[in-house]
Amino acid sequence: DTAVSQTPKYLVTQMGNDKSIKCEQNLGHDTMYWYKQDSKKFLKIMFSYNNKELIINETVPNRFSPKSPDKAHLNLHINSLELGDSAVYFCASSPHRGEETQYFGPGTRLLVL
Amino acid sequence: AQSVAQPEDQVNVAEGNPLTVKCTYSVSGNPYLFWYVQYPNRGLQFLLKYITGDNLVKGSYGFEAEFNKSQTSFHLKKPSALVSDSALYFCAVRDILGGSYIPTFGRGTSLIVHP
Repeated sequence: DTAVSQTPKYLVTQMGNDKSIKCEQNLGHDTMYWYKQDSKKFLKIMFSYNNKELIINETVPNRFSPKSPDKAHLNLHINSLELGDSAVYFCASSPHRGEETQYFGPGTRLLVL
Repeated sequence: AQSVAQPEDQVNVAEGNPLTVKCTYSVSGNPYLFWYVQYPNRGLQFLLKYITGDNLVKGSYGFEAEFNKSQTSFHLKKPSALVSDSALYFCAVRDILGGSYIPTFGRGTSLIVHP
């Protein structure tokens, strides 16, 4: 059973397009996260939701909009894609916001041409 | 803000030899420290953490880490490396953001184990 899953695994698109990445966790966790890993492998947190409530928004351009329909899902929508958005995006979850050990999905490799 | 530094971009070791991946930390208060591993084309996996207690922490896949308060270090170790240990290793420290505990990651160290 996959604990944290993301779709799609790969995403190649043109500049200016809008795209979404989906994330689901079946661990029963309350808290979910989106991270961006750049070409140098640096990992930076973007957003976090706790029980569908946004609790972390780390100076991400407003072209990025997370949505959490329920606590098992956290999707990421990106408008007007730019070349600099090319990266690997990881979803993660933790049992609750006070637990720092996180469980990561396999990542979505986004390439903007 | 809490931070960790991984001074080596890459570590090379022969299979069967002991390995060390270095990490130093800078925190206010007591440090909560972690190691994660990222295998190629995979997400990060939790290896081990130090909160309090014994300075030597044992984790998954035969890895351990030694907490050293005087040197502000938390180096990852394994007595005998395997080729399958080749991966990217991230040290992390607990930080607080938006009322939540989150890991702040180092820049990662690529471990290459040669047959």
